[in-house]
Amino acid sequence: AQSVAQPEDQVNVAEGNPLTVKCTYSVSGNPYLFWYVQYPNRGLQFLLKYITGDNLVKGSYGFEAEFNKSQTSFHLKKPSALVSDSALYFCAVRDGYNQGGKLIFGQGTELSVKP
Amino acid sequence: DGGITQSPKYLFRKEGQNVTLSCEQNLNHDAMYWYRQDPGQGLRLIYYSQIVNDFQKGDIAEGYSVSREKKESFPLTVTSAQKNPTAFYLCASSLTRRGLYNEQFFGPGTRLTVL
Repeated sequence: AQSVAQPEDQVNVAEGNPLTVKCTYSVSGNPYLFWYVQYPNRGLQFLLKYITGDNLVKGSYGFEAEFNKSQTSFHLKKPSALVSDSALYFCAVRDGYNQGGKLIFGQGTELSVKP
Repeated sequence: DGGITQSPKYLFRKEGQNVTLSCEQNLNHDAMYWYRQDPGQGLRLIYYSQIVNDFQKGDIAEGYSVSREKKESFPLTVTSAQKNPTAFYLCASSLTRRGLYNEQFFGPGTRLTVL
């Protein structure tokens, strides 16, 4: 079965420092991977996705993610964190065509960026 | 939050009542989804619809019902049979029902509280 794990419930970073939010996945076929961000009491906003091709994917708000097939990871990164990046981040994998191509989500990682 | 609207933003329900959550999209998307979000558990799929007049159960459909009479609308009814309905409910849509590459766009959510 497809699954996603986000091993850290919370990540704390100082403003201006690089940030990494970790994600590992398990799929039986080709992985279609997504990152979303959620601000309090709001819906999820799409950040970026990996479908195929270059392992480094660039997305919105200066975020990027590195796909590593051998380590089955898709870590989210940003070179210089902002206080406004503080939010809940979800990694997700597409479950093939099962159940309408639903997304399987990790449990989320709370990112806190301090000034 | 794109072109997806959900209403109401907050909803309070008494024990034994049915309530209906609205979801409307103007993105001309074929597929629509309902997810439930609980703290520390990520998002879980309730129902999905790939085309008008057709919908399928997700992972936690018990106690919920949906309809898809129009392409733009996918309302969710939380029935009295749902034992623990207090949660944040998110509606999403995507461009094509078999497009694994397509990200899902999310509405702003409805927070349901059972009194």
